[in-house]
Amino acid sequence: GENVEQHPSTLSVQEGDSAVIKCTYSDSASNYFPWYKQELGKRPQLIIDIRSNVGEKKDQRIAVTLNKTAKHFSLHITETQPEDSAVYFCAASINTGGFKTIFGAGTRLFVKA
Amino acid sequence: GAVVSQHPSRVICKSGTSVKIECRSLDFQATTMFWYRQFPKQSLMLMATSNEGSKATYEQGVEKDKFLINHASLTLSTLTVTSAHPEDSSFYICSARSRDRAEETQYFGPGTRLLVL
Repeated sequence: GENVEQHPSTLSVQEGDSAVIKCTYSDSASNYFPWYKQELGKRPQLIIDIRSNVGEKKDQRIAVTLNKTAKHFSLHITETQPEDSAVYFCAASINTGGFKTIFGAGTRLFVKA
Repeated sequence: GAVVSQHPSRVICKSGTSVKIECRSLDFQATTMFWYRQFPKQSLMLMATSNEGSKATYEQGVEKDKFLINHASLTLSTLTVTSAHPEDSSFYICSARSRDRAEETQYFGPGTRLLVL
């Protein structure tokens, strides 16, 4: 089955710096890659997603890149702010014989003011 | 945006009792709902996929007789933890896929924190 690996597990940056989180997936049939932000005790919130027919997508300070050949995708947050501090999960979705989403282990991002 | 609710938000029960958790899509019809379990500081582990009108599909290692899932309508799925034990204590989160919106997007409920004494 699909396996998603995420690095780093913890990331600490200074306010205003950029943060990069990387993920790899194992199943080449995965075709949808969402990123979620989860604050303590709250539900995961979709922040950006990318489909397999696109290599890059940007939404204000957030961008995601996808390399299908290498089976890895990354989240880039620029000009980080303290309110960006949270746990970020990457995920890979596959839709063969039923839709399924597998999550990475998560990255705890700390943005220091 | 699409809203998913869960009830209860937290529950404390004695060992051996059963607990039912409800997941509702409030403003859309959900063809599929998913149940996840999350331990502290860990990722979301998919437990099962629930399709309206059919049996749930369980992930490997998840006991279907322990975690009963019923998807009674396009807006409601329930997870019943039967004969709960302390090791079942966890954060349970559901999500739903909308029939009407972008096919892949999942919308998460707020989660249910279960503590079994």
